[in-house]
Amino acid sequence: GAVVSQHPSWVICKSGTSVKIECRSLDFQATTMFWYRQFPKQSLMLMATSNEGSKATYEQGVEKDKFLINHASLTLSTLTVTSAHPEDSSFYICSARPGGWSPLHFGNGTRLTVT
Amino acid sequence: GQQLNQSPQSMFIQEGEDVSMNCTSSSIFNTWLWYKQDPGEGPVLLIALYKAGELTSNGRLTAQFGITRKDSFLNISASIPSDVGIYFCANGGATNKLIFGTGTLLAVQP
Repeated sequence: GAVVSQHPSWVICKSGTSVKIECRSLDFQATTMFWYRQFPKQSLMLMATSNEGSKATYEQGVEKDKFLINHASLTLSTLTVTSAHPEDSSFYICSARPGGWSPLHFGNGTRLTVT
Repeated sequence: GQQLNQSPQSMFIQEGEDVSMNCTSSSIFNTWLWYKQDPGEGPVLLIALYKAGELTSNGRLTAQFGITRKDSFLNISASIPSDVGIYFCANGGATNKLIFGTGTLLAVQP
């Protein structure tokens, strides 16, 4: 149980375009989902907390207008990287927990390459 | 901000050897989690610790919640090639957000 699915697994886009990444909780409902970013050989850094039915909460230094988050249902959160640039190339990972104090479960990540 | 420092940064061992790594923080926490990340994938939960002094096992893995609540240890016994990956400690205290440690890269030579 507690499966989190991400789509796509990888994406290549041109500089200046926008890319949408989906995160779904397959067998549970999640009022809150978390988006992380991981650069090569580095740890996971929390970008934002996605809240169902309300605005996302962004970590310090993360541009909310660049990384648009929508959590329209209890099983789906989307992250849109707008006007992507090469420095946005990274591994984006979402996570959610089934509820209460359950540990977070992670999706398999999305490798974004901006050319 | 909150930092979780892991040691060692990387380890290169022979198959069959035991492995030990740790995670330290300047803050006190009520939970400690250990995740493993394979290349190109998301982290997978290995062990969750909820009480100071707690010692929990998951197969060949054993983790301990330090008595000071500022550290945790992960041991892997009789390592095998599929143990290769990056091991992260993590916790979130009371914030519901999960913060990750700096990671320990484990390489196992058959």
